[in-house]
Amino acid sequence: DAKTTQPPSMDCAEGRAANLPCNHSTISGNEYVYWYRQIHSQGPQYIIHGLKNNETNEMASLIITEDRKSSTLILPHATLRDTAVYYCIVPPGVGAQKLVFGQGTRLTINP
Amino acid sequence: EPEVTQTPSHQVTQMGQEVILRCVPISNHLYFYWYRQILGQKVEFLVSFYNNEISEKSEIFDDQFSVERPDGSNFTLKIRSTKLEDSAMYFCASIEGGKYDEQFFGPGTRLTVL
Repeated sequence: DAKTTQPPSMDCAEGRAANLPCNHSTISGNEYVYWYRQIHSQGPQYIIHGLKNNETNEMASLIITEDRKSSTLILPHATLRDTAVYYCIVPPGVGAQKLVFGQGTRLTINP
Repeated sequence: EPEVTQTPSHQVTQMGQEVILRCVPISNHLYFYWYRQILGQKVEFLVSFYNNEISEKSEIFDDQFSVERPDGSNFTLKIRSTKLEDSAMYFCASIEGGKYDEQFFGPGTRLTVL
């Protein structure tokens, strides 16, 4: 699996954009970058994924650098409910792959 | 919106007892997974299941563990003889066949082994 590196914790003010970085310098050409989050002890929740183009959905935006060695998850208007642990995951290959979770980034949204 | 469900939400058992954790994946999904998370630690992959057989398992998934899809809806994880260190949250997940974008996770079962 491509190793990912994330800061252990970040803070963000409510209403501001939260920008969560991830390094994945050993990523292969056909490997996608996935982001999940886990709110307290709930089941992980899918946020977004991408290969090389920037992606946006109703939850977030994903910016992947041109060399694909790093990416940034952007929560455009963070709310208190976005407080969670965010995981950047690069499963090997394509298809229905298992997810290998690291420690993630603990994001705290402050009022 | 369809969701993965798990029962029970909390299971307390004595060491050495057998437990069965149950999951109902989303109905048109074909790939199924079990993960666990020991309190304060990372989410860890246990096993994946497709076409009525295990497709991959981790080192954690030893002979004490088994999985089964007994009918068209349930997906179960059995621990034959529980140990104290099996205490954890157990999450079931599933993926729609042919669409690998997103694993849908259930809310988890908290297993406490005394």
